[in-house]
Amino acid sequence: DTGVSQDPRHKITKRGQNVTFRCDPISEHNRLYWYRQTLGQGPEFLTYFQNEAQLEKSRLLSNRFSAERPKGSFSTLEIQRTEQGDSAMYLCASSLGTEQPQHFGDGTRLSIL
Amino acid sequence: QQQVKQSPQSLIVQKGGISIINCAYENTAFDYFPWYQQFPGKGPALLIAIRPDVSEKKEGRFTISFNKSAKQFSLHIMDSQPGDSATYFCAASNSGGGADGLTFGKGTHLIIQP
Repeated sequence: DTGVSQDPRHKITKRGQNVTFRCDPISEHNRLYWYRQTLGQGPEFLTYFQNEAQLEKSRLLSNRFSAERPKGSFSTLEIQRTEQGDSAMYLCASSLGTEQPQHFGDGTRLSIL
Repeated sequence: QQQVKQSPQSLIVQKGGISIINCAYENTAFDYFPWYQQFPGKGPALLIAIRPDVSEKKEGRFTISFNKSAKQFSLHIMDSQPGDSATYFCAASNSGGGADGLTFGKGTHLIIQP
């Protein structure tokens, strides 16, 4: 399977803990995107990378959220000091470049106890 | 501020019928309009997409109609099948530069009755 891969699929943690999610894009896709999807809503854009450069991060929900793509391949999304409102599905997508379709992974579902 | 408004929120269609989902957008800089299908526990899967230079695009049973002046676009699913039962999202983006993440509608829960 050469689709977008996300790990873990499910994460349960206590409020106040830090969590990190990983995304492996489709091979050769140089753009990588992170979205958040809450129940009954469409995905909400958070940030994106062109290779290793993070070109948009103003839409990250708070300064507790950060993302990296150190070598232009896989990416990580970290949430520090998690809160109840962070419970959601976190989706990753990748594309070949500008004006190319975005392909999504199956997401990481985060539950905050 | 919701930049893409989708309707209806839910839709029930008989097998073999036509399913129609509508979206309206506000940002005239949007120039790419995809539709995604999502099953429970899965990520959104791209169905079909259109750009403003055409008014209609058809792929198999799926057709997008686009009205630039009204800032509206719609998805038509012909000969709807039970396997089409899913949540459908319209989206839009400005691919010309800046933050070109997709802006999604709230989704339509489609049920095809056998």
